[in-house]
Amino acid sequence: DTAVSQTPKYLVTQMGNDKSIKCEQNLGHDTMYWYKQDSKKFLKIMFSYNNKELIINETVPNRFSPKSPDKAHLNLHINSLELGDSAVYFCASSHQPFWEQFFGPGTRLTVL
Amino acid sequence: AQSVTQLGSHVSVSEGALVLLRCNYSSSVPPYLFWYVQYPNQGLQLLLKYTTGATLVKGINGFEAEFKKSETSFHLTKPSAHMSDAAEYFCAVSIRAGNQFYFGTGTSLTVIP
Repeated sequence: DTAVSQTPKYLVTQMGNDKSIKCEQNLGHDTMYWYKQDSKKFLKIMFSYNNKELIINETVPNRFSPKSPDKAHLNLHINSLELGDSAVYFCASSHQPFWEQFFGPGTRLTVL
Repeated sequence: AQSVTQLGSHVSVSEGALVLLRCNYSSSVPPYLFWYVQYPNQGLQLLLKYTTGATLVKGINGFEAEFKKSETSFHLTKPSAHMSDAAEYFCAVSIRAGNQFYFGTGTSLTVIP
């Protein structure tokens, strides 16, 4: 039974398109996150929600918009995709903010 | 400013040799410290964590780390490397009072047979 799941696992799309990545956790955690990992493996936190409220909103283009319909789900919508958006995006969750985090398997986004 | 530094982006060890991955942090308040491992094409998995109490913490797969406040370090060690330890390792620091969390830049561990 997967603890943190993401869909899709791979996403290949053209520049200018709009796409979404979905994340679900079945751990009963209150906090969820989105991270971006670039080709050099650098991990950058993008957003964090605690009890459906946005608590971290790092400097990312406003083309990226998170949505948390409930505590178990945190989706990421990206408008007008650019080449530089190509990366692996990880969802994670934790019981409390910035406590031990459980990561999803990642979504590899390729923008052509 | 809070941050975390991992010295050495690539470390190679022979199978059976000691593994030592270095992590230093900067924080004005006591941090929580974590080591995560990322195997190829997978998400991150927690190896171990330090919050309070005993400064030597043991994790999964035979890894351990020691919190040294005077040196602001949290180095990861394993007495004997195994081929399956080849992965990317990330140190992380959590400053909960400020809702801040930082990952280090990662260390790629190669194990030579």
